[in-house]
Amino acid sequence: DVKVTQSSRYLVKRTGEKVFLECVQDMDHENMFWYRQDPGLGLRLIYFSYDVKMKEKGDIPEGYSVSREKKERFSLILESASTNQTSMYLCASSLKSGSGSYNEQFFGPGTRLTVL
Amino acid sequence: AQRVTQPEKLLSVFKGAPVELKCNYSYSGSPELFWYVQYSRQRLQLLLRHISRESIKGFTADLNKGETSFHLKKPFAQEEDSAMYYCALRRYTGRRALTFGSGTRLQVQP
Repeated sequence: DVKVTQSSRYLVKRTGEKVFLECVQDMDHENMFWYRQDPGLGLRLIYFSYDVKMKEKGDIPEGYSVSREKKERFSLILESASTNQTSMYLCASSLKSGSGSYNEQFFGPGTRLTVL
Repeated sequence: AQRVTQPEKLLSVFKGAPVELKCNYSYSGSPELFWYVQYSRQRLQLLLRHISRESIKGFTADLNKGETSFHLKKPFAQEEDSAMYYCALRRYTGRRALTFGSGTRLQVQP
């Protein structure tokens, strides 16, 4: 059974703090993703990674960075948290897919971040 | 750029009534379309994908390229179907990450 875990379910930080959100998967998946989930906006892709030390910007990368030093771990970093980054953050992983094939994305439980 | 539109934020039906959750997309190439579901206090999970043409939990969805739609349907709603539903698109080539719609909350009343 695929397991995607996120380091915290709830997190409260102050404006200007550096915030780390950790995601770990145990199924040797190549692809990992970070989304934020907001009411009325759905899920929006922040960053994704196809391999160790590889990253690509998603649709809303501003204010975020990521790190993938090991295959199983993908970290989302808020360099200087702001109130508009208060949101639910979802991590996902999937096997590497070639053209014409799809591998399901498995999601973590989410981290609800509040920035005061 | 691709875009997924779910026009309804909330859909409320009675148990046993038919359900149709609307999804329209814009993308110039050939997309792959999916429906994801999130039940209360559970993780987001894949419900079905257009390429497999399967029925999951009584739900079906047909890709209509002419109307650029991928509506989710179920003939008789059950209370346990109450959840948040997201339509998602993936490009066939190039960037393979998913683009999600804004979601529709389905409430099935007894």
